[in-house]
Amino acid sequence: VQLQQSGPGLVKPSETLSLTCAISGDSVSNNGASWNWIRQSPSRGLEWLGRTYYRSKWFSDYALSVKSRITINPDTSKNQFSLQLNSVSPEDTAVYYCTRGMSVAAFGPWGQGTLVTVSS
Amino acid sequence: DIVMTQSPDSLAVSLGERATINCKSSQSILKSSDKKNYLNWYQRKPGQPPKLLIYWASTRESGVPDRFSGSGSGTDFTLTISSLQAEDVAVYYCQQYYSIPITFGQGTRLEIK
Repeated sequence: VQLQQSGPGLVKPSETLSLTCAISGDSVSNNGASWNWIRQSPSRGLEWLGRTYYRSKWFSDYALSVKSRITINPDTSKNQFSLQLNSVSPEDTAVYYCTRGMSVAAFGPWGQGTLVTVSS
Repeated sequence: DIVMTQSPDSLAVSLGERATINCKSSQSILKSSDKKNYLNWYQRKPGQPPKLLIYWASTRESGVPDRFSGSGSGTDFTLTISSLQAEDVAVYYCQQYYSIPITFGQGTRLEIK
């Protein structure tokens, strides 16, 4: 299984951060997996942002810290999932990772990471 | 939220010696339904994403050297590297998968003395 991230590395304040994670070797519709976004910054450490998963229908969970600004969507036609974070500020500057939540209740594999800088 | 606290923040150990990292959760992460502790350990090297080492507190992920071991239950957990190798220099994180939001410890930086 491999996860390949794509998206811009620079976003202006108040705009929307958008990243995509393409999945190979597994399916975004896998009933036993979840598809997660996590970020890492010096100030916040590793912070789980949210997930989407399929259990006969689609569900999503989000961290309270970003719940009003975040959307994680699956794209079954392209076997990928995406992150949208609205109204970003410099505090959203971080390395963003996508990762799979496995049936053993752990994360793996991970995407390569994307450094997103919020700056004008 | 379940708060995960690691100790120490950094650690320097001689090659071939034992390294021990502790992790404490703010509430029990032992699930009564399956008697499993929902505690994972990850290793992160510079420029790389985290790598899963241990899940369910003590089960080694496939391909992880047997010098890495995990122990503990309830709220107190330990990652032990029995004989430190140069390639083990990294930051180590514990993580709870017991409840949403999933949370991580702050990390422990392991260096060679």
